[in-house]
Amino acid sequence: AQSVAQPEDQVNVAEGNPLTVKCTYSVSGNPYLFWYVQYPNRGLQFLLKYITGDNLVKGSYGFEAEFNKSQTSFHLKKPSALVSDSALYFCAVRDRTGGSTLGRLYFGRGTQLTVWP
Amino acid sequence: DAGVTQSPTHLIKTRGQQVTLRCSPKSGHDTVSWYQQALGQGPQFIFQYYEEEERQRGNFPDRFSGHQFPNYSSELNVNALLLGDSALYLCASSSTLNTEAFFGQGTRLTVV
Repeated sequence: AQSVAQPEDQVNVAEGNPLTVKCTYSVSGNPYLFWYVQYPNRGLQFLLKYITGDNLVKGSYGFEAEFNKSQTSFHLKKPSALVSDSALYFCAVRDRTGGSTLGRLYFGRGTQLTVWP
Repeated sequence: DAGVTQSPTHLIKTRGQQVTLRCSPKSGHDTVSWYQQALGQGPQFIFQYYEEEERQRGNFPDRFSGHQFPNYSSELNVNALLLGDSALYLCASSSTLNTEAFFGQGTRLTVV
């Protein structure tokens, strides 16, 4: 069965410090990998994706993510956190069967990131 | 360029009633997916529509049904509402030119 794990419900960091939000997955084949962010009472906002190529992908708002195939992980990182980064972050995967558009997303439970001043 | 729009943003229904949620995809997108996000959980896939047909379905009962119109907009219908159907319902659109899905702001459904 396909699954996504975000082992930390909460991550707390001080502003200016680096942050990491962890994600591991169990999906057959070579899935597409995504990170989304959700602000209170809002939908999901796309941050970045891994399709193929370089294991380090860069996305919006200074975020990046590192893909590790052997560990089936896709951790979200940012070198210097901002208070405005505080939000709920979701890791998601989609398998490649059916082409690039067809296919459901599997989400983790989410990690609440809090950045304090 | 308008993104994915959903209506209504909030609604309250009584157990046993029926509800219809609406979604207009991002311009140029032809695929619409619906997700249910319960409080404190990640979104769960309900179903996906492409070319006006349901292409994939998640583990949801037949009370959940949908439709896609020729202009690619979509509706989600839920019959015989249960208290457990209370959640944020998210619509996502995508196209053959993108691998990522774009989400609307969601419809918050409360069943009382």
